[in-house]
Amino acid sequence: TQLLEQSPQFLSIQEGENLTVYCNSSSVFSSLQWYRQEPGEGPVLLVTVVTGGEVKKLKRLTFQFGDARKDSSLHITAAQPGDTGLYLCAGVGGTSGSRLTFGEGTQLTVNP
Amino acid sequence: SAVISQKPSRDICQRGTSLTIQCQVDSQVTMMFWYRQQPGQSLTLIATANQGSEATYESGFVIDKFPISRPNLTFSTLTVSNMSPEDSSIYLCSGSRTSNTDTQYFGPGTRLTVL
Repeated sequence: TQLLEQSPQFLSIQEGENLTVYCNSSSVFSSLQWYRQEPGEGPVLLVTVVTGGEVKKLKRLTFQFGDARKDSSLHITAAQPGDTGLYLCAGVGGTSGSRLTFGEGTQLTVNP
Repeated sequence: SAVISQKPSRDICQRGTSLTIQCQVDSQVTMMFWYRQQPGQSLTLIATANQGSEATYESGFVIDKFPISRPNLTFSTLTVSNMSPEDSSIYLCSGSRTSNTDTQYFGPGTRLTVL
């Protein structure tokens, strides 16, 4: 089973701060998805990155796929309390073939 | 986006009993999956629910413990059999339009506590 490592595992910041979450693997993925999950809800897809070096922006969120397609990052600018949640990356392909492999998750808390 | 509903939303069960979780999806999805998640942690795929045939289980999960049905395209059930406290977890149903790697739409989950 290939491993998708996320860091940090926990992050507590003040409103207005910037942050970056990392998703790393030794395997190459054909694409990578980012989900956010709020308490009592299922994960919701934020973005899918496909091309090595690709950068996608979703309002204050910036997603990047590494050139070698082994890693990805999520950067949030001027975090707000509404950004609080569990952020999960999920890799497609690699040694797991067509299976979607989820990372361990990053629990983000943004304090007002 | 697809709409996925699950019930019950939570339950507290006694050791040795079984619980069946229901999942209803709208017609936009063709693939259905069942996951397990410890609160605040990652998701582990239990199985792919196949319409009209036996589910496809991942390593470490067996049909006797987690029987799954999918009698039609939009409905599936997961049973957690002969429960033990180790089965306490959140169970999530998801659906996607084309494949496991397509966008997955998740239900709200069922929080199970086994005493």
